[in-house]
Amino acid sequence: DVKVTQSSRYLVKRTGEKVFLECVQDMDHENMFWYRQDPGLGLRLIYFSYDVKMKEKGDIPEGYSVSREKKERFSLILESASTNQTSMYLCASSLGIGLKQYFGPGTRLTVT
Amino acid sequence: EDKVVQSPLSLVVHEGDTVTLNCSYEVTNFRSLLWYKQEKKAPTFLFMLTSSGIEKKSGRLSSILDKKELFSILNITATQTGDSAIYLCAAPPTQGAQKLVFGQGTRLTINP
Repeated sequence: DVKVTQSSRYLVKRTGEKVFLECVQDMDHENMFWYRQDPGLGLRLIYFSYDVKMKEKGDIPEGYSVSREKKERFSLILESASTNQTSMYLCASSLGIGLKQYFGPGTRLTVT
Repeated sequence: EDKVVQSPLSLVVHEGDTVTLNCSYEVTNFRSLLWYKQEKKAPTFLFMLTSSGIEKKSGRLSSILDKKELFSILNITATQTGDSAIYLCAAPPTQGAQKLVFGQGTRLTINP
């Protein structure tokens, strides 16, 4: 079974802090995704990576950056956290051109 | 603009009831539609539908796609409290083969 893990389940940070969210998948998937999930808005794509060092902006990339130095690991970076980035962050991965995405358990980030 | 819309956004029923969740989509060059169930953490895959009129079934859950009317339904019969979850519908966008556009989700609560 595919396993996608995220570094933290819950995280509390202060406004202005730099925040790193890490995601690791163990199935050699090419594609990795970062979403945020907010009530009434569903999952919105922040960034997408289809290969090592390759990234593509999603629908809401402002205020975020990503890093993919190794195939199994995809990091989401909040350079200067703001209260409107309080949300649930979900990481996912998928294989090749396959559409089925496998999700991590999520990180609930609170920025105070 | 690609769009996936789910209804209702929230639904509360009693154990044993049958529920129908709706998902409509506006995507050029439609390829498939996916359903996920999200309990307290990672969304888990339920169904992928590509052909119109062919029902996919797993236990008490079933789903069908109507490509002419651009919608899908997810049925759950004889509901149990363990069916309480957010149900997510998604479709690949017009551009970006590996990505998914998600609906807002339906929060289903089953009361004993």
